[in-house]
Amino acid sequence: EVQLVQSGAEVKKPGESLKISCQGSGYSFSTYWVAWVRQMPGKGLEWMGSIYPRDSDTRYSPSFQGQVTISADNFINTAHLQWSSLKASDTAIYFCARHADTGSVGDWGQGTLVTVSS
Amino acid sequence: DIVMTQSPASLAVSLGERATINCRSSQSLLYSSNNKNYLAWYQQKPGQPPKLLIYWASTRESGVPDRFSGSGSGTDFTLTISSLQAEDVAVYYCQQYFSTPLLTFGPGTKVDVK
Repeated sequence: EVQLVQSGAEVKKPGESLKISCQGSGYSFSTYWVAWVRQMPGKGLEWMGSIYPRDSDTRYSPSFQGQVTISADNFINTAHLQWSSLKASDTAIYFCARHADTGSVGDWGQGTLVTVSS
Repeated sequence: DIVMTQSPASLAVSLGERATINCRSSQSLLYSSNNKNYLAWYQQKPGQPPKLLIYWASTRESGVPDRFSGSGSGTDFTLTISSLQAEDVAVYYCQQYFSTPLLTFGPGTKVDVK
């Protein structure tokens, strides 16, 4: 069974750094793209970027390029999303998800709530 | 970039009645070499991650009830719930994966019971 398990909720102050994680199991982690998707409070889904863990090929949405960094560690089957300096507007739920063989997104993590507040 | 739009933004349908959601892309999602439309539909209930319902515009994911169907080609697509059940109350998103791994979601359509 494919599972994506994300790290727990975070409460941070503006300007702080943060790295959240997504551990995959039940499949060959290195050979499937992993996407990160943002959902701001009461809003829709926004694709942030995706990484191919085998060679760390990473693609970003223009809206998120330079704002976040996506990485992966094949040894622990984990993808990461990180910020160097959080803003209040980064408050959202962040989902990781596995691209299916078709290219759509078939399996999702449970989501990580990030709250940024002074 | 491919832009996705959906209509309506919300709709309320009586139990047992049909619900229809429209999705349009700014460019064709039909790949000529395999004649497939790179369009998926997702359902998201409050407090849950999205769930894949349909891919290739009309192929139901395993376990999805057959009251959900997808149709359309090129730039215009439709998700139909043939007989709305209470458990179908959710927000529905279309998504293009023509430019995978680059993805784009539509803004979502909220479905409620009238």
